[in-house]
Amino acid sequence: DIVMTQSPDSLAVSLGERATINCKSSQSVLYSSNDKNYVGWYQQKPGQPPKLVIYWASNRESGVPDRFSGSGSGTDFTLTISSLQAEDVALYYCQQYYSSPWTFGQGTRVEIK
Amino acid sequence: QVQLKQWGAGLLKPSETLSLTCAVYGGSFIDYHWSWIRQPPGKGLEWIGEIYHTGTTDYNPSLKSRVTISVDTSKKQFSLNLNSVTAADTALYYCARGGGKSSLRYWGQGTLVTVSS
Repeated sequence: DIVMTQSPDSLAVSLGERATINCKSSQSVLYSSNDKNYVGWYQQKPGQPPKLVIYWASNRESGVPDRFSGSGSGTDFTLTISSLQAEDVALYYCQQYYSSPWTFGQGTRVEIK
Repeated sequence: QVQLKQWGAGLLKPSETLSLTCAVYGGSFIDYHWSWIRQPPGKGLEWIGEIYHTGTTDYNPSLKSRVTISVDTSKKQFSLNLNSVTAADTALYYCARGGGKSSLRYWGQGTLVTVSS
């Protein structure tokens, strides 16, 4: 199985400041044939199902504010919230869909400082 | 607009079988894979398995011996059965559209399943 490891486990950021979450996969999730990284990022708020925010590592899902961005390739990926808003407080998970079984990182909790 | 609505028994005894069904409203059913994911209380996400409209399945090896996912394309529904449950199977169970090398774009509301004697 591909292991997805997120860091940090939690972070507290002031409103309007940048939040950065890292995700490292135990093997490359880049398909050379289409140059796509098979990584998604999800946001989960209390009492709600996860919500897809980024797919193919860097594509923002429709309706997601442009302060959210994804980057990285191969084994190292980052989710950035450029200017943290109160509504961004949540758990964030990365996921690989390169190789079954699809696996998730352990989650990163984002809070307001 | 795609919506997934799920239902099933929420309280089970050890050794019983967990059964959940997810209905899909809106969008194509045959163009996507359909997955089940679970989340133990206060913990992370675990992909259980998926199905395609043809009935082709893929399961997480960690649960494969106890899991069956089935599909009813005429009703746009898919179902999860997990047998011989224990307290370790207590979790929020979600259905979702995705898998088959695609992200999980739409999710059901979740069903809390508690296993307790």
